[in-house]
Amino acid sequence: DAGVTQSPTHLIKTRGQQVTLRCSPKSGHDTVSWYQQALGQGPQFIFQYYEEEERQRGNFPDRFSGHQFPNYSSELNVNALLLGDSALYLCASTSKYRADQPQHFGDGTRLSIL
Amino acid sequence: GQQLNQSPQSMFIQEGEDVSMNCTSSSIFNTWLWYKQEPGEGPVLLIALYKAGELTSNGRLTAQFGITRKDSFLNISASIPSDVGIYFCAGQVNFGNEKLTFGTGTRLTIIP
Repeated sequence: DAGVTQSPTHLIKTRGQQVTLRCSPKSGHDTVSWYQQALGQGPQFIFQYYEEEERQRGNFPDRFSGHQFPNYSSELNVNALLLGDSALYLCASTSKYRADQPQHFGDGTRLSIL
Repeated sequence: GQQLNQSPQSMFIQEGEDVSMNCTSSSIFNTWLWYKQEPGEGPVLLIALYKAGELTSNGRLTAQFGITRKDSFLNISASIPSDVGIYFCAGQVNFGNEKLTFGTGTRLTIIP
């Protein structure tokens, strides 16, 4: 039973560029949430997708956008990258129909901005 | 964004000792969770708590959901080397697919 998988594992970009990160949820899950974890801090909620729509959003600018596909996988896009966007980006999945199922996390994508 | 307050920030203990850490919030949560994160990995769920006052165990780990719903506690008994990592609390206003609000983390180091 595959867990949450994310790609790529590491990425280096320069300021002003754009990046796309990918996430496949755990088997049986239909809801994907994205979190940003800066060095030495806890994860911060970016947004959540289910039924291919953004359902909840944290305090992040419009440069952060996402998409969910019919197979429940998801992408996180960040435009006009800033040095402060350097972080570990985590994807978590759960089931909208199973309220007793806590969110399960992937191992993240480490994004470094030069 | 909001982060919950965890204490202590770091702990240095000897193998076999018991560990206690806590997490506090200025607002109420109806679900509390504890995750552990090791280098290069994502957070792994340890314990989920759904009811105020609830005490739940998972092996050597025991967590409690505070009566005020503004705090939670995690205890680890008889620590072993594989307990090393960063422990995060997380709160949800309800449960399931709602967003998680994480704490600042407690880094546990075991001295040989």
